[in-house]
Amino acid sequence: QKEVEQNSGPLSVPEGAIASLNCTYSDRVSQSFFWYRQYSGKSPELIMSIYSNGDKEDGRFTAQLNKASQYVSLLIRDSQPSDSATYLCAGLYNFNKFYFGSGTKLNVKP
Amino acid sequence: EAQVTQNPRYLITVTGKKLTVTCSQNMNHEYMSWYRQDPGLGLRQIYYSMNVEVTDKGDVPEGYKVSRKEKRNFPLILESPSPNQTSLYFCASSESRDTFVVMDEQYFGPGTRLTVT
Repeated sequence: QKEVEQNSGPLSVPEGAIASLNCTYSDRVSQSFFWYRQYSGKSPELIMSIYSNGDKEDGRFTAQLNKASQYVSLLIRDSQPSDSATYLCAGLYNFNKFYFGSGTKLNVKP
Repeated sequence: EAQVTQNPRYLITVTGKKLTVTCSQNMNHEYMSWYRQDPGLGLRQIYYSMNVEVTDKGDVPEGYKVSRKEKRNFPLILESPSPNQTSLYFCASSESRDTFVVMDEQYFGPGTRLTVT
């Protein structure tokens, strides 16, 4: 079992809809979680980090962490074509080791 | 401008020929890390460094070496590259609030695409 798992997609949503991206993690990865966005041919860039159970909102993005069920999700409201990218979920182990999921490709159709 | 730089950006080499990929950051970050990215496998951590002279293995360290003699530089060394090391490599850095805590954003370099024939 991978430490962090994501559905590779692609996930297709129409413009203006809510995109929901999900990630599950193993017992080993339990401290901090991060969502990165990666455009094709580019390096990853941080969207949000979340450390505590519950929701964290930043503009159109909401990260949700459920430690009991070991999943973390990212909601993108009012999805735009510019949101089309691969979204990477990452977890932190032992305060210094990162595990990334394989990424979910999101297509937002105009 | 705050940034992480990597060189070279593209490299084609042959099996067994030692190579070094350089990584440098200008943000005075303590934490630096190397990743490889392969289709379907996502980013996998190769090595990381909490500070100068402190390095440790990530998830896939076999066939790689690193050193951290200066805070700003973290080169990745492939002593004897093999075709299975063909990949896209990213260097990243992050500020640590504490010696053993990494919680801040990682800043990624632009990537180095390596092909080993």
